[in-house]
Amino acid sequence: AQSVTQLGSHVSVSEGALVLLRCNYSSSVPPYLFWYVQYPNQGLQLLLKYTSAATLVKGINGFEAEFKKSETSFHLTKPSAHMSDAAEYFCAVSAFTGGGNKLTFGTGTQLKVEL
Amino acid sequence: GAGVSQSPSNKVTEKGKDVELRCDPISGHTALYWYRQSLGQGLEFLIYFQGNSAPDKSGLPSDRFSAERTGGSVSTLTIQRTQQEDSAVYLCASSLRPFMNTEAFFGQGTRLTVV
Repeated sequence: AQSVTQLGSHVSVSEGALVLLRCNYSSSVPPYLFWYVQYPNQGLQLLLKYTSAATLVKGINGFEAEFKKSETSFHLTKPSAHMSDAAEYFCAVSAFTGGGNKLTFGTGTQLKVEL
Repeated sequence: GAGVSQSPSNKVTEKGKDVELRCDPISGHTALYWYRQSLGQGLEFLIYFQGNSAPDKSGLPSDRFSAERTGGSVSTLTIQRTQQEDSAVYLCASSLRPFMNTEAFFGQGTRLTVV
């Protein structure tokens, strides 16, 4: 079975500051990991994904995440926050089940960006 | 259409009534997923389809919930005898292939309110 834990249901940063959203995973097999973003009243959009090709993954809108097997972590970062980054962010892990990729999501982190 | 389409976008129903939620996946996507998003609960997996069959129904909360998919395309999630705890946003997603590193594309969801 696989699971993800997102530390901090709410994170607040100042515009221009570093964004760090934490995600730890648990998986009995090598995982595929994803970060999704959900803007208000919208569906989820893929930010980036780890598929074992490279441990540092770059995504859209300047976000990146680093896979650290020793720490079972996949934290999401952005060097400089922008007001438009305010949204809810979900970490997810994918593992084989019944022939397909069932995505298991964390409980989400609401990012607030302040002036 | 270009994306995953869900209807209706909002549904208010009386306790005890049955509801049907519809999902039109991206054309050609063989895998389809239903999730439920409740405030503070993250995304809860309900059911996964590969073609018209459902290899994983493990997330359906009770026998009041059922889903079907026809023609390898449209899917309907049915909730019978709705209860207030069924109030949530129901999200549908589809992916091209049932492999672990394949991106899932999400619809904007159906917001169900049971009064």
